[in-house]
Amino acid sequence: KQEVTQIPAALSVPEGENLVLNCSFTDSAIYNLQWFRQDPGKGLTSLLLIQSSQREQTSGRLNASLDKSSGRSTLYIAASQPGDSATYLCAVVGETSGSRLTFGEGTQLTVNP
Amino acid sequence: SAVISQKPSRDICQRGTSLTIQCQVDSQVTMMFWYRQQPGQSLTLIATANQGSEATYESGFVIDKFPISRPNLTFSTLTVSNMSPEDSSIYLCSIEPIRDYGYTFGSGTRLTVV
Repeated sequence: KQEVTQIPAALSVPEGENLVLNCSFTDSAIYNLQWFRQDPGKGLTSLLLIQSSQREQTSGRLNASLDKSSGRSTLYIAASQPGDSATYLCAVVGETSGSRLTFGEGTQLTVNP
Repeated sequence: SAVISQKPSRDICQRGTSLTIQCQVDSQVTMMFWYRQQPGQSLTLIATANQGSEATYESGFVIDKFPISRPNLTFSTLTVSNMSPEDSSIYLCSIEPIRDYGYTFGSGTRLTVV
């Protein structure tokens, strides 16, 4: 059974700092990995999708990497801003899970002005 | 990417009653998904709903508690039946992944049962 772990569970940083969020998964047989952002009490906003054949994806100040063989992904946020404060979730689709997403517990990020 | 309209955005309900949550998609999709997010936890898949067939429920979820309708390729509803305080959660719908974009989610329904 696929398990997804995110470290740290919570992170508080001053504005302007660069930061890294970590995601690991136990079964490396995945189709893709997706990073989401969730504001309190709200739905999920897709940030980046990495296919299993890709190493990284970039969007603005965000960069996500994928090391499928070691079961790891990182989300790098450059020059953090207070508006980046949210919970960040990673999720994977396994090769044998149909279309089911398996989510991590999330990292709650607070960027202080 | 597709746009999903989910409603209501939040509700406070009495125990023993039922609430129906709606998701409307701006394009036709084969698969829709319903998730539950209990307080402080991550998302758990409730069921997968394909148009024209019965929903497929994950372990721990049953149709009597969470009946789902999928009348066409753009719409689905999830009903939370005979609610108890333990059903207080955020409920989210999602659609099948779009190539190069991945999964899209609705804005969520925050349910509080008192």
